[in-house]
Amino acid sequence: NAGVMQNPRHLVRRRGQEARLRCSPMKGHSHVYWYRQLPEEGLKFMVYLQKENIIDESGMPKERFSAEFPKEGPSILRIQQVVRGDSAAYFCASSPAGFLETQYFGPGTRLLVL
Amino acid sequence: AQRVTQPEKLLSVFKGAPVELKCNYSYSGSPELFWYVQYSRQRLQLLLRHISRESIKGFTADLNKGETSFHLKKPFAQEEDSAMYYCALRGDSGGSNYKLTFGKGTLLTVNP
Repeated sequence: NAGVMQNPRHLVRRRGQEARLRCSPMKGHSHVYWYRQLPEEGLKFMVYLQKENIIDESGMPKERFSAEFPKEGPSILRIQQVVRGDSAAYFCASSPAGFLETQYFGPGTRLLVL
Repeated sequence: AQRVTQPEKLLSVFKGAPVELKCNYSYSGSPELFWYVQYSRQRLQLLLRHISRESIKGFTADLNKGETSFHLKKPFAQEEDSAMYYCALRGDSGGSNYKLTFGKGTLLTVNP
């Protein structure tokens, strides 16, 4: 089992561009979580998705950020019109179910906004 | 609201010395506590969780509900223990029983 995969590992964008971050969960996992880690901070929950459903997006900024987990393919975290404050490490985790299950983390995508 | 505090940003010990990484939490219900570790250039991985009461790589952690703490301990540190350690909490009620709340992490350096 290859584990949770994220790509790209590093992403550089200029202000105003769009950033797309991808996450492929572990085989057999249907629950995906996105976390953001700002410099000098801990990981903070952004959104929890199951296939084709957003369960909880309470940690995601209301504007410019969106997430999806389609029936086929990876989960996508999309940031439109990026600003410098979006520079952070974005981690994806997956679990076989949502409750009481261990979350397995991907290597993260480090976004730098110039 | 739930919160996790790791008071030490950096911790440096010598090989063979005991090590304790502190973690305090704030949560009104019955939380589940975790320690995650991130070695250099590797992904975050689960080290241990309090409900399993395991000892992994010589590390142990006991949940102290009275002091709301979940400190990570190892009697004899090894150089390969050098890493970033994150304490995390998961709540027990709807809306909080899947999301993890992390501390800011403690960077442990074990010197030869």
